[in-house]
Amino acid sequence: EVQLVESGGGLVQPGGSLTLSCAASGFTFSGYDMTWVRQAPGRGLEWISSISTTGQTLYYADSVQGRFTFSRDNAKNSLYLQMNRLRAEDTAVYYCARRHSSAWYYFEYWGQGALVTVSS
Amino acid sequence: QSALTQPPSASGSPGQSVTISCTGTTSDVVDYKYVSWYQQHPGKAPKLMIYEVNKRPSGVPDRFSGSKSGNTASLTVSGLQAEDEADYYCSSYVGSSNVLFGGGTKLTVL
Repeated sequence: EVQLVESGGGLVQPGGSLTLSCAASGFTFSGYDMTWVRQAPGRGLEWISSISTTGQTLYYADSVQGRFTFSRDNAKNSLYLQMNRLRAEDTAVYYCARRHSSAWYYFEYWGQGALVTVSS
Repeated sequence: QSALTQPPSASGSPGQSVTISCTGTTSDVVDYKYVSWYQQHPGKAPKLMIYEVNKRPSGVPDRFSGSKSGNTASLTVSGLQAEDEADYYCSSYVGSSNVLFGGGTKLTVL
């Protein structure tokens, strides 16, 4: 069974930093592109970043480019999202997701999400 | 700026069919070969329901179908059931390594 479990969420002050993790199991982690999608409270979904199987190819949304860094450790079956210079508008539930076999931009399996609150 | 526009709400009675639209605003979105649809129940993670316009992942009931016409993609839910009440989001790869989501549609089963 595919499982994705996010951790590391919490309360952080504006301008601060936080790192989210996503532990994957139930599939060959190194064989799949992975993605982070976030959802602000009461709002819709927003794609923020995707990473290739090796971690060498990265895509970022304009809203996080230059502030967030997506990485993976295939030996540990884990993803990491380093978030710097956080803003109030970054407050959201952050989901990690695994691609569908068809293409990296279809997200077939999702974690339960980690809440990040940016507030003073 | 590309965008995907969905109606904020839709509704139907059990057994009926309901269609949710997703309209692109720029030419790259209009291509629409890369549309997907997600279902999200309150407090839960999204679930992939349709990919590549009209394909269903394993396990998704065939009551869910996708289509496109011009610059509008659509999700149709036939034979509405109570458990179909949820938020539905369209999504599209829009080129330049970018993915957009629509604003979401709240489907109510009356």
